[in-house]
This record gives sequence, structure tokens and C-alpha cells, in this order.
Amino acid sequence: GQQLNQSPQSMFIQEGEDVSMNCTSSSIFNTWLWYKQEPGEGPVLLIALYKAGELTSNGRLTAQFGITRKDSFLNISASIPSDVGIYFCAGALPAGNNRKLIWGLGTSLAVNP
Amino acid sequence: GAVVSQHPSRVICKSGTSVKIECRSLDFQATTMFWYRQFPKQSLMLMATSNEGSKATYEQGVEKDKFLINHASLTLSTLTVTSAHPEDSSFYICSASWAGSEKLFFGSGTQLSVL
Repeated sequence: GQQLNQSPQSMFIQEGEDVSMNCTSSSIFNTWLWYKQEPGEGPVLLIALYKAGELTSNGRLTAQFGITRKDSFLNISASIPSDVGIYFCAGALPAGNNRKLIWGLGTSLAVNP
Repeated sequence: GAVVSQHPSRVICKSGTSVKIECRSLDFQATTMFWYRQFPKQSLMLMATSNEGSKATYEQGVEKDKFLINHASLTLSTLTVTSAHPEDSSFYICSASWAGSEKLFFGSGTQLSVL
């Protein structure tokens, strides 16, 4: 099925460093969502973006909806050990697609204390 | 935030038995529920979409007679894996949303192991 191009695939960083990851697509999306998944758990919604150019923060997390509506990025500032997990982007196609989300393959984040 | 409860969290069963997984939205009315399957270190794979009171819409390649989905109320959907086989072993996750929202809220997942 259709998937988003998410990069990087994995990151290993030192505590305190900033993190940046992004998703790109050939399709236009109406909504971009960013989730975090920890082992053995379901994904947890971090940030939802609804308009092209929108920049939204949630604590140390900041995400932006690309102006072309075909990309989005997520930044994490001053990383801490509990940021460890897999981060997924997801895009909602325009209406008429049964509200399905298209998912990225995930960015695995490891933080060295 | 919206809470979705999924049970059981882990199940081990013998080959040939059926397993039922429940997904409940605790503090909102879930007009649509989605069932996903996830293999280790991979992304989420949508299996089916169910709207309350309607038959589920299955993704291509997902056997509807094997993965029975019922969404009888606005707070409960169930996935029954019928005649489970070892290749059905996987992490199954439900998610729910309300009318007009693209946000999905996920349950904690069910790890199914078929011996």
C-alpha cells in the first residue's frame, strides 16, 4: 500500500541534543499527524497539523505542515532518555478516502544518557 | 485526551482456536474504528475500517472471514481471529476516532501468539 517517505530511519543521539525528522510524499494531505510508539504499546498522538504552513508545539516538540502540503517535519529539543521510541508520521488524504491514514515507516530514536 | 482501551494485552492460543480482541472508547463516541496489524520493527498495516452499525471495509489481501470485525455500538468494536494459525501471530492494535476528525487514538495493542 501507499506509504510516506520518513527519514531518518533511526537516530542515536546524546541526551540534550536536538532531533529532527521529516516525512515527504508525492500526494497532497489535508492533515499531518505525528505519533510516538514505545515497545509493546499503541502509538500515542503527539501533534496534529491541519493547515499548510502551520507550526505547532507540544512542550519540547515542534512540528510543521509543509507549505506544499506534501511534507512535514518534527523537531525535538533538548532530548531526554524518555524520548526513546519510534516516531511515526501519518497523513490524512482529502475527503472521499474513508478517512484512512497513510503511514511513514517510522524513525527509531535512541538517547544516550 | 481521548482514551481507548484494548483487551487482552497478550494472548497465547493453540492453532485452530479463535481469539476475540475488544476495543473500547472510554470517553468519546467512536463513529469509526480501525484495526491495524504490526510486525516487529515495521509500520502499522491497516486491516479494516469499521463504522458503527455497518459492515467493516477490509483492505486488499485481508480475509474478512478470518478476521471478523463487529462494531455494534459507538464505544465497542471487536476483532475475532478465527481458526488462528502461527502465521497470524502478530501485534494487533485498534484505533478510534469521532465524526469529522482525522485524529486516531490507539489502544495499547494485543500481542497474539499462536502455537
